[in-house]
Amino acid sequence: QVQLQESGPGLVKPSQTLSLTCTVSGGSISSENYYWSWIRQPAGNGLEWIGRIFTSGSTNYNPSLESRVTISIDTSKNQFSLKLSSVTAADSAVYYCARDVRLTHQNWFDPWGRGTLVTVSS
Amino acid sequence: SSELTQDPAVSVALGQTVRITCQGDSLRKFYASWYQQKPGQAPVLVIYGNTNRPSGIPDRFSGSSSGNTASLTITGAQAGDEAVYYCSSRDSSGSHHVVFGGGTKLTVL
Repeated sequence: QVQLQESGPGLVKPSQTLSLTCTVSGGSISSENYYWSWIRQPAGNGLEWIGRIFTSGSTNYNPSLESRVTISIDTSKNQFSLKLSSVTAADSAVYYCARDVRLTHQNWFDPWGRGTLVTVSS
Repeated sequence: SSELTQDPAVSVALGQTVRITCQGDSLRKFYASWYQQKPGQAPVLVIYGNTNRPSGIPDRFSGSSSGNTASLTITGAQAGDEAVYYCSSRDSSGSHHVVFGGGTKLTVL
């Protein structure tokens, strides 16, 4: 059974870069059947898709974040990572990683990691 | 703002049936998925491809879609179904991007 676990600093200073890693266990991140996504949720608010990566390294990003986001993959470690630059308090959120199934006309996320809280504050 | 619109809150009496809806232009072309999120927990997939239920999800959860509206129906709601439910689909531009609805808080009375 595939499991995902987020890791990274829980506190980031304004204007700096947020960096998180998602470690996948119980399955290969190199599978050509899946993409790997980051999703975030500000406290008390809804979900926002950040972006995804495929084993080849190809990426898609949310247009609202695209200028600040980089997602990368390390197949040797079965990990993928998120970098979000120039963060502000508005980027404070619980960040989730999830396995992303993308087929013609549909998309879903399963499973999800437990999430990690990132606070942007000086 | 979200391209998928959900009612902020819905309530249902214990054991009764409730339908949670999600509206958006993207649903005319793309299938919906639904997620259940309980407080302090990560979302869990309950429906994908409009109508499909992942293994382990009780059969009281069902999904449907018509026109620009996708629906999640819980038949015989239980206290443990109290949660926020989010819909999701590809965005209406037909790109590779994903959008979520704003979420519906389900209260089981």
